[in-house]
Amino acid sequence: EDKVVQSPLSLVVHEGDTVTLNCSYEVTNFRSLLWYKQEKKAPTFLFMLTSSGIEKKSGRLSSILDKKELFSILNITATQTGDSAIYLCAVFNSGNTGKLIFGQGTTLQVKP
Amino acid sequence: SQTIHQWPATLVQPVGSPLSLECTVEGTSNPNLYWYRQAAGRGLQLLFYSVGIGQISSEVPQNLSASRPQDRQFILSSKKLLLSDSGFYLCAWSKKRSYNEQFFGPGTRLTVL
Repeated sequence: EDKVVQSPLSLVVHEGDTVTLNCSYEVTNFRSLLWYKQEKKAPTFLFMLTSSGIEKKSGRLSSILDKKELFSILNITATQTGDSAIYLCAVFNSGNTGKLIFGQGTTLQVKP
Repeated sequence: SQTIHQWPATLVQPVGSPLSLECTVEGTSNPNLYWYRQAAGRGLQLLFYSVGIGQISSEVPQNLSASRPQDRQFILSSKKLLLSDSGFYLCAWSKKRSYNEQFFGPGTRLTVL
């Protein structure tokens, strides 16, 4: 059965800290891995990763994929209170059903 | 630009009552449409997806159903709600050939009492 596992499930840090969120997966017909940020309502898209070892970066956020070890990390440097959210990892299964499989999410709280 | 709408934003319903949640997409045509449910402290679970009018695929057995009466309209329904149907329901869309890049609506928080 396909699965995506995120760790830690929750994290509390202070402003200015650097955090690393983990996502491991076991999915047949892997096509891509996506990171979303969910504040109060709709998840918003952060990154899509398809190739190993190529870092994607957007401001203080960056992410990288390791297709050999089947995991991805999301790094956030110099965290701010506005980074507080649930971070969701999802893997796209390009098989017959072609669907996104989500992890449980990591709840990040950044304290002032 | 494309936008996706869901309503209502919140809903409190008694057990055994019917349900109808609506999702509409603007600014695109022939999108793939999806319904997800997010239980408290859990990730998103895909319930239904649709690649076209009248075409619905169900991912998990349940007492919910979905319909797509128009190209950009996706409806989630139930004839009789269960307590376990409580959760946060998200509609999403993707372009026809970009199944993995999905864009989410604002969600409906359903509480079944």
